[in-house]
Amino acid sequence: GAGVSQSPSNKVTEKGKDVELRCDPISGHTALYWYRQSLGQGLEFLIYFQGNSAPDKSGLPSDRFSAERTGGSVSTLTIQRTQQEDSAVYLCASSLAGTSGNEQFFGPGTRLTVL
Amino acid sequence: AQTVTQSQPEMSVQEAETVTLSCTYDTSESNYYLFWYKQPPSRQMILVIRQEAYKQQNATENRFSVNFQKAAKSFSLKISDSQLGDTAMYFCAFMKLLTNDYKLSFGAGTTVTVRA
Repeated sequence: GAGVSQSPSNKVTEKGKDVELRCDPISGHTALYWYRQSLGQGLEFLIYFQGNSAPDKSGLPSDRFSAERTGGSVSTLTIQRTQQEDSAVYLCASSLAGTSGNEQFFGPGTRLTVL
Repeated sequence: AQTVTQSQPEMSVQEAETVTLSCTYDTSESNYYLFWYKQPPSRQMILVIRQEAYKQQNATENRFSVNFQKAAKSFSLKISDSQLGDTAMYFCAFMKLLTNDYKLSFGAGTTVTVRA
């Protein structure tokens, strides 16, 4: 079956604009994660969805960042009033269930460049 | 919070040789999972190997093996018989066990280049 897909692959925007990044998890995966990978750094957790539970938003860096997951499947990460420091690769991952040790399958990421 | 440290930003290895990547972590948890992920230039993160902290036996997956030293909080990855396709960035990651906290905490990564 298909893996995790993300769109767009690359996004260039101007400072102050809003952007939306999309993630389609693997069918049947109830857990979905967003991470951010800045240049030369490891991955930083942003937000986690599990089924119908309230999302874990503890990693969102500011209130300009938000995410939603509609129908327990597709997720959208929104960044409002983008800043240059938001430039990074945004990775989405999904897993079968939100249980410890379950492998997280990653998408190819969206490279965001804020000019 | 968990801290994962990868002290080697870059490693280079000759094809067919062996390379070892280091990873140390800091946690107050007694049970957890440790992972090595590979990220080739395509950006697609791929799980290489996983270790449960409550298991003393080191995990092995074909040419990839780990040396897990729980007391030292060390989790190194050995790549044997290196192949050109192993060229990638490798990330060490930590996950708590049996909590509602399933996020991965990653190290900064080690770029591995396999030379022909």
